[in-house]
Amino acid sequence: DAKTTQPPSMDCAEGRAANLPCNHSTISGNEYVYWYRQIHSQGPQYIIHGLKNNETNEMASLIITEDRKSSTLILPHATLRDTAVYYCIVRVGDYKLSFGAGTTVTVRA
Amino acid sequence: GAVVSQHPSWVICKSGTSVKIECRSLDFQATTMFWYRQFPKQSLMLMATSNEGSKATYEQGVEKDKFLINHASLTLSTLTVTSAHPEDSSFYICSARPPGHLFKDTQYFGPGTRLTVL
Repeated sequence: DAKTTQPPSMDCAEGRAANLPCNHSTISGNEYVYWYRQIHSQGPQYIIHGLKNNETNEMASLIITEDRKSSTLILPHATLRDTAVYYCIVRVGDYKLSFGAGTTVTVRA
Repeated sequence: GAVVSQHPSWVICKSGTSVKIECRSLDFQATTMFWYRQFPKQSLMLMATSNEGSKATYEQGVEKDKFLINHASLTLSTLTVTSAHPEDSSFYICSARPPGHLFKDTQYFGPGTRLTVL
């Protein structure tokens, strides 16, 4: 699996957009980018995934660069409930996920 | 849809006893379920992959005789921690993978079970 690099932590203001970067320079052509998050003491929650096109759902948007070596998860209007650890995972399929350290996102009022 | 439950949500047991944790997919059938373990301030580590009707596949370093996994139906997998010791105290999380095309080919996680071994 391609390795991902995420910043260890970031703060953002409530109501503002939160942009979470992820580098995956060794991604191969058939690997997807998945994003999950884990709120404290809960199980992870699926957010979004994509291959090469930008994706949007009710939770977030995923922007993947043209060379696919990096991506950005955008939470359009962060709320206090979005405070969590966000994981960027690159895999061929959503099977046997390998979680790294992720980015601890703290949304401040 | 796509709800996964775990029971119990927390359990405290004495050293040497066995503890069973249940993972259920409530509104879909899951041919594959996964079990993870998470120690404080660490990330999730995959323990094993559970396939309905067959033996579980364990990750390297996970003792299959200590962590017994049974996936007897398409909606239930159980993890039994046998002869538990304090070092087994952890947050155990399961996930279930529904048929790909219906749910965008992803996993859905349970809320976790916190095990404390005294």
